[in-house]
Amino acid sequence: GAGVSQSPSNKVTEKGKDVELRCDPISGHTALYWYRQSLGQGLEFLIYFQGNSAPDKSGLPSDRFSAERTGGSVSTLTIQRTQQEDSAVYLCASSKSDGSSYEQYFGPGTRLTVT
Amino acid sequence: GQNIDQPTEMTATEGAIVQINCTYQTSGFNGLFWYQQHAGEAPTFLSYNVLDGLEEKGRFSSFLSRSKGYSYLLLKELQMKDSASYLCAVRDPSGGSYIPTFGRGTSLIVHP
Repeated sequence: GAGVSQSPSNKVTEKGKDVELRCDPISGHTALYWYRQSLGQGLEFLIYFQGNSAPDKSGLPSDRFSAERTGGSVSTLTIQRTQQEDSAVYLCASSKSDGSSYEQYFGPGTRLTVT
Repeated sequence: GQNIDQPTEMTATEGAIVQINCTYQTSGFNGLFWYQQHAGEAPTFLSYNVLDGLEEKGRFSSFLSRSKGYSYLLLKELQMKDSASYLCAVRDPSGGSYIPTFGRGTSLIVHP
């Protein structure tokens, strides 16, 4: 595809349910990032992948959050036993690499609402 | 630790010039990014500075002073479509990571 895609675009779930968010990065981009953006807040880093490995998981807020990436391409972010504070826009970005001046290309995001 | 500060909101008039400041306090430095984010949309890349000075790109320019921990984004000949949030992001590799840390963004409102 031409850019980073994410699905679903919107997700409403009940507290306590599990959700899975998907990200398709730009073809050939080895680095993939997940961020969370709450209303009026900046982008909160969650996790970063280089290829299929995740050298930096420091931003995951709790053990309810996990992510994987397969084939160096698609990534899924899973949130178990969702809580209301998990409500936010979840953004995925990809870049050619993790160093130098490579800018990140962001997807449109998944708006998660936990009721 | 990392601290990135930007004004929360700014307003300007169509056709005018506006300067959005970003100050940062980091242990290390390996580049500063500016992104534009329209409401409900993904952030899009505007500029990257790693050396001191001014980088000009059309109506947008970005300036960096590493010694002062300071950057600004300059928007000239403002258009209504420039109403958006502008995000400053700094890369600090001192902790072993090249992940950019984002400020909270500056919401720019352009009036006719």
